[in-house]
Amino acid sequence: GENVEQHPSTLSVQEGDSAVIKCTYSDSASNYFPWYKQELGKGPQLIIDIRSNVGEKKDQRIAVTLNKTAKHFSLHITETQPEDSAVYFCAATGGDYKLSFGAGTTVTVRA
Amino acid sequence: NAGVTQTPKFQVLKTGQSMTLQCAQDMNHNSMYWYRQDPGMGLRLIYYSASEGTTDKGEVPNGYNVSRLNKREFSLRLESAAPSQTSVYFCASSANGNTEAFFGQGTRLTVV
Repeated sequence: GENVEQHPSTLSVQEGDSAVIKCTYSDSASNYFPWYKQELGKGPQLIIDIRSNVGEKKDQRIAVTLNKTAKHFSLHITETQPEDSAVYFCAATGGDYKLSFGAGTTVTVRA
Repeated sequence: NAGVTQTPKFQVLKTGQSMTLQCAQDMNHNSMYWYRQDPGMGLRLIYYSASEGTTDKGEVPNGYNVSRLNKREFSLRLESAAPSQTSVYFCASSANGNTEAFFGQGTRLTVV
């Protein structure tokens, strides 16, 4: 099955700075890579996703890049704001269509 | 539009007791999932159902059983609860394995 690794586990940034979270995956057949944000006491919610036929995708202050050769993908948040503080998960769908998650990154934006 | 509904929200069990966690979605999704979330370990897949009538093991299936009762409902059963099953359980659904998954609010289970 798919194995997704995520780094770092915690990330503290000054408001206005950028945050970057990196993930690697193991299954070369994986073709769907979503990112989820989880706020305290709630279920994860999708913030952006990318498919294997695309190298980069952007949505306002959030961008995701994918390197299929190296089997890694990254989330970039620019101009961070206090409401960006949350736990972020990367995920990948392997050849068996099961959605596997990384261990999560706790992001804290300092005012 | 309720999305994904899980019941109960909280539960305390004694070791050895059994219980069923219920999940229903109203988005006509084919795929449904059960995950457990433990500190520092992210979301680990327990069981998965690609479509009505099919189920498949995930990463941590031991101690659990599932039933895909119909297209809307996917239940998770603990036959004999153990303290190691203390966790937050999330149900999710998606149109298929390659589209956005929608999550329920979670069930916080404590086994004493």
